[in-house]
Amino acid sequence: AQSVAQPEDQVNVAEGNPLTVKCTYSVSGNPYLFWYVQYPNRGLQFLLKYITGDNLVKGSYGFEAEFNKSQTSFHLKKPSALVSDSALYFCAVRDSQGGKLIFGQGTELSVKP
Amino acid sequence: GAVVSQHPSWVICKSGTSVKIECRSLDFQATTMFWYRQFPKQSLMLMATSNEGSKATYEQGVEKDKFLINHASLTLSTLTVTSAHPEDSSFYICSARDWQGGGSGELFFGEGSRLTVL
Repeated sequence: AQSVAQPEDQVNVAEGNPLTVKCTYSVSGNPYLFWYVQYPNRGLQFLLKYITGDNLVKGSYGFEAEFNKSQTSFHLKKPSALVSDSALYFCAVRDSQGGKLIFGQGTELSVKP
Repeated sequence: GAVVSQHPSWVICKSGTSVKIECRSLDFQATTMFWYRQFPKQSLMLMATSNEGSKATYEQGVEKDKFLINHASLTLSTLTVTSAHPEDSSFYICSARDWQGGGSGELFFGEGSRLTVL
């Protein structure tokens, strides 16, 4: 069965510093991987996805993620964090058969001035 | 990106009443929509997959008679919480897939509906 793990419930970063939000996955076949961001009492906003191609994927708001097949990871990164990046981040996986989207437990990112 | 509209954003109802939540894809057709439930500070739990013109597929443990899903058109799916109880209070989020001619099709999400049952 496919699954996603986000090992950190919370990540704290100082504004201007680089940030990383971790995600590992388990899926049969080739994975479709996604990152979403959620602000309080709002729906999810799509950030980026990996389907195939370059392992480094660039997305919205300066975020990027690196697909690492050997480590089954898809960590979200940003070179310089902003206070406005503070939100709940979800990693998700969907198998190549077009199945359901399964979410990780979420990581709360807090960026302090 | 594609827009998914969800209504109402907030709803408060009395225990025992039914509440309907609408999910619309505004600028694309969605043969498949998904309904999620989210508790505070927790992840999204998939409740059911809504398929246009056919019965919804419910996840294990989700009561189909409690959470009625109808997907009558390519742009509208509804979730009705029947005989609501306080434990049904939650944040309900719908999503739809924009296949864009058969591509990978990421999910686009509605803004969510906060249900409070008194």
